Amino acid sequence: KNEVEQSPQNLTAQEGEFITINCSYSVGISALHWLQQHPGGGIVSLFMLSSGKKKHGRLIATINIQEKHSSLHITASHPRDSAVYICAVSDTDKLIFGTGTRLQVFP
Amino acid sequence: KAGVTQTPRYLIKTRGQQVTLSCSPISGHRSVSWYQQTPGQGLQFLFEYFSETQRNKGNFPGRFSGRQFSNSRSEMNVSTLELGDSALYLCASSPRGGDRFEKLFFGSGTQLSVL
Repeated sequence: KNEVEQSPQNLTAQEGEFITINCSYSVGISALHWLQQHPGGGIVSLFMLSSGKKKHGRLIATINIQEKHSSLHITASHPRDSAVYICAVSDTDKLIFGTGTRLQVFP
Repeated sequence: KAGVTQTPRYLIKTRGQQVTLSCSPISGHRSVSWYQQTPGQGLQFLFEYFSETQRNKGNFPGRFSGRQFSNSRSEMNVSTLELGDSALYLCASSPRGGDRFEKLFFGSGTQLSVL
C-alpha cells in the first residue's frame, strides 16, 4: 500500500463544476503539500498546510490531521484548471508523493 | 525575480555514460532539492541540500549524487547510466530551509533519455 493515496486518479468535469480531489496518508507528517503540474512538466506549489484550511482564489485546501486526510477543492472550475494535481507529505527528512489526479475540465 | 533555472532542458545519453545536471535557485533561496519523475514511479525525492551540505537523501543508489556551491547553485550527477534512469529530473528551491520542505519553487526540469 502506498504511503500517500490520491483519489480519483482521473477526473473530468464541465466548466463551472465544483471539484474535489482527496489525499490520504499513512505516515506521520510535518506538512502536506498540494502541487499542480501542467503538460510540459512545470510544477507549481499550490498549498502547504499542517492544519485547518487555506484558500487562494478558487482553490481551497483542507487537512484533518486526526483522520490523515486532505482535500483540494476547486470552485467554478475552468478549462485552464486542467492539469495533474499531486499531493505530497513531508516529515523531517523526506517528501513522499502521491501518484496524482489528472483533471480535465471541458468548456 | 528570476525563477528556478535548470539546464540543460533535454539530454540524450547512452548506457554507461555519466551526466551532470544543473540547477540555479531563486536568488536568496538556500535550500535546493532534487526529484525524479517517471511514468511508472511518479515523483520521487532524490536529495536536499542546504548551505552546501546534503541534509536528506531519498532511496536511490549511490550512482546518484549531488552537490551545492556557495552561491546555492546545485548540480546532480548520475554515473553509469541505466535505461531506467530515463526520467524528468526536477529541482526545487525554498527560501530558508528551516522547515526542510517549506513552500517549494520548481524548475522546468531536465528530460533525460538514456539509449
